[in-house]
Amino acid sequence: DTGVSQNPRHKITKRGQNVTFRCDPISEHNRLYWYRQTLGQGPEFLTYFQNEAQLEKSRLLSDRFSAERPKGSFSTLEIQRTEQGDSAMYLCASSLDGQGVRIRFFGPGTRLTVL
Amino acid sequence: AQKITQTQPGMFVQEKEAVTLDCTYDTSDQSYGLFWYKQPSSGEMIFLIYQGSYDEQNATEGRYSLNFQKARKSANLVISASQLGDSAMYFCAMREGRGGGYNKLIFGAGTRLAVHP
Repeated sequence: DTGVSQNPRHKITKRGQNVTFRCDPISEHNRLYWYRQTLGQGPEFLTYFQNEAQLEKSRLLSDRFSAERPKGSFSTLEIQRTEQGDSAMYLCASSLDGQGVRIRFFGPGTRLTVL
Repeated sequence: AQKITQTQPGMFVQEKEAVTLDCTYDTSDQSYGLFWYKQPSSGEMIFLIYQGSYDEQNATEGRYSLNFQKARKSANLVISASQLGDSAMYFCAMREGRGGGYNKLIFGAGTRLAVHP
């Protein structure tokens, strides 16, 4: 499977716990994006990496959220001290420079439930 | 501020018929791109079609075509010969030109399409 992969697919946690999600982009893609999707809504942009550099962050990304992309390959999104409002689908996407239109290819998402 | 509006929360279509899903957008940028994605119940967002603001021809990809009306700021998705597998959520999204919005997509709230046999 050469698409974007995300792990875990589902995560249930208690309020106040920390969680970490992983995204593996399509191998040659240098750009990586995180989005959050709540029930009944479209995805909302969280942050973006070009190679290992985090170049843009949404105001949605509070100080409890941190994302990394060491070595410009996979990325992790960590949420500290989770709150019930963090319950959502977290989507990762990747794209490649130099193709004109940067089509974002999305992974299957990680569904987070905070109890 | 940039915004995508999808006014149809749900749509029904008979198998083999065509259906149009509406999308209007708001931007002050001259350069932008419009995307349509399909999201089946599995959750993965599947890219369908792209239209650039300077593209003179309406985009087409197989059974999908984009009815782009720049003056009206609309980018409706037309699905021809609907299939049962087309039942899903459909999202319209916009990427603005160079500048702060270039790297993110702004999504609409989506339209749920149900294809009936």
